[in-house]
Amino acid sequence: EAGVAQSPRYKIIEKRQSVAFWCNPISGHATLYWYQQILGQGPKLLIQFQNNGVVDDSQLPKDRFSAERLKGVDSTLKIQPAKLEDSAVYLCASSPLAGNYNEQFFGPGTRLTVL
Amino acid sequence: SQQGEEDPQALSIQEGENATMNCSYKTSINNLQWYRQNSGRGLVHLILIRSNEREKHSGRLRVTLDTSKKSSSLLITASRAADTASYFCATDRNYGQNFVFGPGTRLSVLP
Repeated sequence: EAGVAQSPRYKIIEKRQSVAFWCNPISGHATLYWYQQILGQGPKLLIQFQNNGVVDDSQLPKDRFSAERLKGVDSTLKIQPAKLEDSAVYLCASSPLAGNYNEQFFGPGTRLTVL
Repeated sequence: SQQGEEDPQALSIQEGENATMNCSYKTSINNLQWYRQNSGRGLVHLILIRSNEREKHSGRLRVTLDTSKKSSSLLITASRAADTASYFCATDRNYGQNFVFGPGTRLSVLP
């Protein structure tokens, strides 16, 4: 089966610019996650969707980050405007169901550099 | 705040040796998972252990869980150069809806 797809793989922008990332989860997976992974750290959950509804966005900096999952399939994560500290790898993951009884399948990530 | 903390931060061993990584956490959990991340790649799920389990095996991997000490260990036996990666433990948060990852252990297996 095809894995989680993400694009672009790399993005370089200047601070205060906007950027968007795209994720296509594994077919049939109800739950989709976006993580931010700063160099040398573990992934930090930004937002979790169940189908097209938000389950947890408590760690999403809502003043500049937004995400949507229209039709409960693909998802986009946007940063507007970007700051230097947003430089990180943004990982998308999906799982068949929510909760910690299920493993998450990760995409390759998008590496964002903010200059 | 991070729930799990891996120890050591970095580990370097020779091929064929065993590698042991530890994860300590602060609050009660229902489940704990271990993931591997090769450089520049996404994470790959290795194993899940439930709070009522003490030990699980998967191939060359052995995971233990001690809920009284709030700790888990991941043992990789007969390591190979291909095991070179970062290893993360993930503990549940938000009433089990999702996970929090530790900072990871960076394992280098030298040929």
